Amino acid sequence: EPEVTQTPSHQVTQMGQEVILRCVPISNHLYFYWYRQILGQKVEFLVSFYNNEISEKSEIFDDQFSVERPDGSNFTLKIRSTKLEDSAMYFCASSEWTGEPQHFGDGTRLSIL
Amino acid sequence: AQTVTQSQPEMSVQEAETVTLSCTYDTSESDYYLFWYKQPPSRQMILVIRQEAYKQQNATENRFSVNFQKAAKSFSLKISDSQLGDAAMYFCAYRSAETSGSRLTFGEGTQLTVNP
Repeated sequence: EPEVTQTPSHQVTQMGQEVILRCVPISNHLYFYWYRQILGQKVEFLVSFYNNEISEKSEIFDDQFSVERPDGSNFTLKIRSTKLEDSAMYFCASSEWTGEPQHFGDGTRLSIL
Repeated sequence: AQTVTQSQPEMSVQEAETVTLSCTYDTSESDYYLFWYKQPPSRQMILVIRQEAYKQQNATENRFSVNFQKAAKSFSLKISDSQLGDAAMYFCAYRSAETSGSRLTFGEGTQLTVNP
């Protein structure tokens, strides 16, 4: 069964550094998402992306965050200047269309030191 | 804005028994989807079951079934014949069908323990 793939599985970064989290969505999917989950808390929506542009973003997704689909397969989340509070599990998800369930990757654990 | 509430932070069940996890939500929309996701200790997010709001029939997936009460805005998950592998955090989630590319809104989660 096709899967959403995320790399790396764990990223450790110094505060203030830039970090890029990578995702390869399922190949025929058109809608892409990033979520985050701070340890012990619920999963929170960050951003959705369709047709090469952001379709929706949350209050969390401020100017420090950006997303890109640099080629036909990858979908990236960039955090420009990381803060301690950015430490979380980041999940990428994709769906074929809006009526279909979102399929999640295994997540990237981001640790900011 | 939609909200999802799971009022049971923790639940436990004996192996082979049945357990029901509760979820309520608040929305002014009439067309939407509801989901249950399972998150084992590995922290993957695994889809368990989906319900379309326009369908009156409750969704069923093997040992998992839901009790969808649209008027009460309630969406509970029943796990029958519980197995040790069912132990996980379970999240209820809402998604609008009226907005393109809509976000999932999650509840706080219920940690399910299965006792042998």
